Amino acid sequence: DIQMTQSPSSLSASVGDRVTITCRASQSISNFLNWFQQKPGKAPKLLIYTASSLQGGVPSRFSGSRSGTDFTLTISGLQPEDFATYYCQQTYSVPYTFGQGTKLEIK
Amino acid sequence: QVQLQESGPGLVKPSQTLSLTCTVSGGSISSGDYYWSWFRQHPGKGLEWIGYIYYSGSTYYNPSLKSRVTISIDTSKNQFSLSLNSVTAADTAMYYCARQTASSYNRFDPWGQGTLVTVSS
Repeated sequence: DIQMTQSPSSLSASVGDRVTITCRASQSISNFLNWFQQKPGKAPKLLIYTASSLQGGVPSRFSGSRSGTDFTLTISGLQPEDFATYYCQQTYSVPYTFGQGTKLEIK
Repeated sequence: QVQLQESGPGLVKPSQTLSLTCTVSGGSISSGDYYWSWFRQHPGKGLEWIGYIYYSGSTYYNPSLKSRVTISIDTSKNQFSLSLNSVTAADTAMYYCARQTASSYNRFDPWGQGTLVTVSS
């Protein structure tokens, strides 16, 4: 299975901040990487697919990028509704696997 | 707008079979453009992909669960189902269904709201 290592596991930030979450794949996955946001008691919500494509309806302050096997989710100008847990997911090969999650908390 | 809704027992006894159904509304499950997936999330933990099914009935399962999992589809009811046998407390989790694009994009959207299944005697 492809291992996805996500960092940091938790992050404190303030409204208006720019934050970056990183995910590293254990092998090449091309750009087959999704990012999800999950709020307590809710299902995951797709934010970014194929590393950098913004899912419809997702605010443009969310962006994704890739450098080799390293992937980054950036939120520019944090809003109160952005405080949640974020997960990366590789879809290069089955079984699809997720990072362990990053909990973004209000400072 | 396509919506998914999970249903099934919230409590299952150890060694028995967990059975859940996902009902799709607002779109046809027979569309060749999508796979239909199941995921689970143990309490306070990360996400695990269980497997998917295509409208034709072809399936792919996570090898970690393959010996115990069956996913089936009923196109006449616009539903797909998950069966997990010989459950233990380790199968206690929130179970989600989701639609997956059958293309290189592999987008998982939308998701059902999830259903909590507890394995306990």
